[in-house]
Amino acid sequence: SAVISQKPSRDICQRGTSLTIQCQVDSQVTMMFWYRQQPGQSLTLIATANQGSEATYESGFVIDKFPISRPNLTFSTLTVSNMSPEDSSIYLCSASGPTSNQPQHFGDGTRLSIL
Amino acid sequence: AQSVTQLGSHVSVSEGALVLLRCNYSSSVPPYLFWYVQYPNQGLQLLLKYTSAATLVKGINGFEAEFKKSETSFHLTKPSAHMSDAAEYFCAVTASGNTPLVFGKGTRLSVIA
Repeated sequence: SAVISQKPSRDICQRGTSLTIQCQVDSQVTMMFWYRQQPGQSLTLIATANQGSEATYESGFVIDKFPISRPNLTFSTLTVSNMSPEDSSIYLCSASGPTSNQPQHFGDGTRLSIL
Repeated sequence: AQSVTQLGSHVSVSEGALVLLRCNYSSSVPPYLFWYVQYPNQGLQLLLKYTSAATLVKGINGFEAEFKKSETSFHLTKPSAHMSDAAEYFCAVTASGNTPLVFGKGTRLSVIA
């Protein structure tokens, strides 16, 4: 199974700043996904990142606020832009593939607090 | 569209008692179903998965789940709860390994000594 590393593991940021979260997978994967987990809540999909194409965003999430890069088959970044306290959440990266019946594995997440 | 309903946001059991966490799903295509566990301040760990093979799925840490198509259920069980099982449990559904997961709201399991 794929091992997923996320950096940073946590951060405290000032309102109005931006933070880029990195997600590294130890093997080539087809799809990578970014989720948000707000305090005490379940996971909500932000976007799907496929290598070589623009990320696909879910309703309520926009590229200007959450730009995503997927430069190769093992790496992706998510930027949280112009942060406000409402962005305080855990952001999790997951990956699946190369075969369609393999489950998604998750990184440990990035715990983000906005002051 | 797919969805997951987890009955009971909080379940409390005594150590050594049966653990039963309920999950019902809705899917227009044959589903792939998963249970994940999240310990405090950690990410999600896969407990077990159903991907159209055996309907009784055994996972890690003594957990198992049974896929019942007629009941659209995928309940998680463990015969004897341990203190270390206290965590948040999420049921999730997807159409394939390459599509996003749809999560239930989660069930917090407490184990009482």
